[in-house]
Amino acid sequence: GENVEQHPSTLSVQEGDSAVIKCTYSDSASNYFPWYKQELGKGPQLIIDIRSNVGEKKDQRIAVTLNKTAKHFSLHITETQPEDSAVYFCAASLDFGNEKLTFGTGTRLTIIP
Amino acid sequence: DGGITQSPKYLFRKEGQNVTLSCEQNLNHDAMYWYRQDPGQGLRLIYYSQIVNDFQKGDIAEGYSVSREKKESFPLTVTSAQKNPTAFYLCASSEGTGGYYGYTFGSGTRLTVV
Repeated sequence: GENVEQHPSTLSVQEGDSAVIKCTYSDSASNYFPWYKQELGKGPQLIIDIRSNVGEKKDQRIAVTLNKTAKHFSLHITETQPEDSAVYFCAASLDFGNEKLTFGTGTRLTIIP
Repeated sequence: DGGITQSPKYLFRKEGQNVTLSCEQNLNHDAMYWYRQDPGQGLRLIYYSQIVNDFQKGDIAEGYSVSREKKESFPLTVTSAQKNPTAFYLCASSEGTGGYYGYTFGSGTRLTVV
């Protein structure tokens, strides 16, 4: 089955700087890659996703890049703000049958004011 | 507004008791999932259901049971056989039967054994 590795497990950045979280996946047939943000005591919320026919996607300060050849994808947050502090999960899925999302182990991002 | 609702938000269980966590969605989603999250841990799949009256075990199903009698509802029972039930439980749903459609998560239930 699919295996997703996520790094780093913790990340601290100064407010206003950029943060990058990286994930690698094992199944070359995977072609859907969402990112979730989980605030303390809440459920994860989808913040951005990308499908394999696209190499990069942006939404304001958030971007995701995908390198299918290397089987890795990354979340980029620019101009970080205190409200960006949370746990971020990456995930991957195939697009056929009933394959489930496979999640990474999460990254705790702390923005230092 | 459409969404997925978990209740209660906090739940306390005595040793040896069964407890049931509620999960209801009004998104008309086909598939529903239960995950367990421990402090500092990722998401571990307990059970999932892709159609009414059918469900499959996930990676850590022992000590848990589910039912899917209605499309909107997927309750999780934590039985006395689950030796370490204290955790944060998350319910999710997806439009199709696969992860390709993405998941919508509920706000979670924090279960504590007292």
